[in-house]
Amino acid sequence: GAGVSQTPSNKVTEKGKYVELRCDPISGHTALYWYRQSLGQGPEFLIYFQGTGAADDSGLPNDRFFAVRPEGSVSTLKIQRTERGDSAVYLCASSRGLAGAGTGELFFGEGSRLTVL
Amino acid sequence: QQPVQSPQAVILREGEDAVINCSSSKALYSVHWYRQKHGEAPVFLMILLKGGEQKGHEKISASFNEKKQQSSLYLTASQLSYSGTYFCGTVNAGNNRKLIWGLGTSLAVNP
Repeated sequence: GAGVSQTPSNKVTEKGKYVELRCDPISGHTALYWYRQSLGQGPEFLIYFQGTGAADDSGLPNDRFFAVRPEGSVSTLKIQRTERGDSAVYLCASSRGLAGAGTGELFFGEGSRLTVL
Repeated sequence: QQPVQSPQAVILREGEDAVINCSSSKALYSVHWYRQKHGEAPVFLMILLKGGEQKGHEKISASFNEKKQQSSLYLTASQLSYSGTYFCGTVNAGNNRKLIWGLGTSLAVNP
C-alpha cells in the first residue's frame, strides 16, 4: 500500500483478555518499529525489527508483550492478559533503513487505540 | 535518557516566529523532528546528524549542536498549518537504532 496500515484502528477489550494488533509497513521497508503513546506523552519505544528478527526488544514492558514479523513484512504485536495500564495508542512505523542513520525517516501508521476496561 | 523539550507549549499569532529546543544528557548521534496533529500519526520534518549541521525546509529549519547535545527547531513566519505537537527524537552515540522521544511541545497558531 501507499502508507503504513494498522488494524484495528480501535480495540476495546476487557482486562485479562488477549489482543493482537497488526501492522502492514510500506513495501520494501526493512525496518519496522512499534511504539506506544499515551495522552500527552511522546511515543515510547517498544521493539524494533530489521527484516524478520527483533533487533531490539528492550522497550517491551514485560513478558505479556510479544511481537513477530515472520516474513519480514507484516508485524503483529501481541498482548496477553491485558491490564488497564496497557490502554494507549500503539503506533507502528517503518523505515528503509535504521532510524539512527541519515536516511532513517520513519513513516507512521495511524495507530491502534487500545482501551482495556 | 529521554530528551527534554522546551517550552512545553507555545501560542502564536499567524506570522510570528518560534523556537523549540531539545536537549539530552547523553552524547547524541542524531536528532529527529516530527510534527503530530491531534488524532493523526506523527509526520517527519527532518533528521540532523552529528557534525553541527543545519537543515531547512521552507520556513522550518533546525540546528544541532553536538557539543551541547542540543537541537533547536526554528519556525519562521508561522502558518495556521504549523499547529500541532512537535516531538524531537534522539539517537544516542553508540546506539544507532532506538529513537527516544521527548514529551513534545504543543504549538497553536491563531489567526
